[in-house]
Amino acid sequence: RKEVEQDPGPFNVPEGATVAFNCTYSNSASQSFFWYRQDCRKEPKLLMSVYSSGNEDGRFTAQLNRASQYISLLIRDSKLSDSATYLCVVTLGEGFQKLVFGTGTRLLVSP
Amino acid sequence: GAVVSQHPSWVICKSGTSVKIECRSLDFQATTMFWYRQFPKQSLMLMATSNEGSKATYEQGVEKDKFLINHASLTLSTLTVTSAHPEDSSFYICSAPHRAGWDYEQYFGPGTRLTVT
Repeated sequence: RKEVEQDPGPFNVPEGATVAFNCTYSNSASQSFFWYRQDCRKEPKLLMSVYSSGNEDGRFTAQLNRASQYISLLIRDSKLSDSATYLCVVTLGEGFQKLVFGTGTRLLVSP
Repeated sequence: GAVVSQHPSWVICKSGTSVKIECRSLDFQATTMFWYRQFPKQSLMLMATSNEGSKATYEQGVEKDKFLINHASLTLSTLTVTSAHPEDSSFYICSAPHRAGWDYEQYFGPGTRLTVT
């Protein structure tokens, strides 16, 4: 079983749509949780951290359910520029954060 | 924010040769850096943790004699792929942690695309 699992997609949505991505992780000792965005042939970029209380950044909302070991990302009012691969990432332990990446979910937003 | 650079951004080499990839933290010091590899349509996989002044720590299944890591200074780590083969063709990315507020954030280099012919 992979440490971090995601639906690879692709998710094809029209502009303005709301789309949700899910992620599960296997190690209950995971401490920190993130969503990264990766454009084709580029390095991943941090989108947002994920907390149990949930957090929102503009059109993006992330949720963490530690009991179910489940993380979600909601994107409202999708833009063409949101087209990318979204990576669910967890860390074990504190400090320098050895990151464990999911395989990513590809999003394609069309006009 | 903090900046991490990689050089070269892409390289093509012949089978059997060695290739060196540099990772630099431009505006901060990094005693630890991480090296990842990403094959097409797959996720980033951690290869090794580079430690300034000591040996690198390799993940299970990564050959330390093939992927030589040297953390020469607080701003530079190098990954040398020795005796490269076509199956080593991949996207190699480094990252360095930098304190952001009360926690650390990972800053990624732009990656190096290696093609072995």
